[in-house]
Amino acid sequence: QQQVKQSPQSLIVQKGGIPIINCAYENTAFDYFPWYQQFPGKGPALLIAIRPDVSEKKEGRFTISFNKSAKQFSLHIMDSQPGDSATYFCAASDTDKLIFGTGTRLQVFP
Amino acid sequence: DADVTQTPRNRITKTGKRIMLECSQTKGHDRMYWYRQDPGLGLRLIYYSFDVKDINKGEISDGYSVSRQAQAKFSLSLESAIPNQTALYFCATSDLGSPPLDEQFFGPGTRLTVL
Repeated sequence: QQQVKQSPQSLIVQKGGIPIINCAYENTAFDYFPWYQQFPGKGPALLIAIRPDVSEKKEGRFTISFNKSAKQFSLHIMDSQPGDSATYFCAASDTDKLIFGTGTRLQVFP
Repeated sequence: DADVTQTPRNRITKTGKRIMLECSQTKGHDRMYWYRQDPGLGLRLIYYSFDVKDINKGEISDGYSVSRQAQAKFSLSLESAIPNQTALYFCATSDLGSPPLDEQFFGPGTRLTVL
């Protein structure tokens, strides 16, 4: 069963664009929603995370928007750069473990 | 993350062979995890352990076993490897005492090919 659905599978934008990656979940018991960034040949690393008591969180050029009633959350990358090219995973915390989405491969062209 | 190491980094083996992937961490974390990554399927949890005496099955544990030899070491075994276990395998750690509570630190991965 896929408890966290992520889209799109891939995304191509020009430098300076604002890619948006969306995730949806079903389990209302989830209480922590992180995004992980993975560069080729590396393990994923935490990028930014949010808890459901807030609707938005910003860290630098990265923003999470959270809609608790719709059970959806999204990652926005402002002023995207070629160095942001990576695979992005959303996740949700189910008690003591993370449930990951299927990933989005982002390519930012100069 | 250099604090979480995995060996080997690459392995090619044949169907039916027993394979062990090893993970070591110097972060002092109690919690350790094994995931596999497949294109289009994301990261799926195989097993996890919250201390040396604790082992839990994840989403896709069939065909795998684990051993937590010490707080710092967590090994994944494929008892009899099959081609559909060809994947990228990641070990991760986390620490209950440090916020954010669920942040996981991943190793560099092991690319396993089963012929």
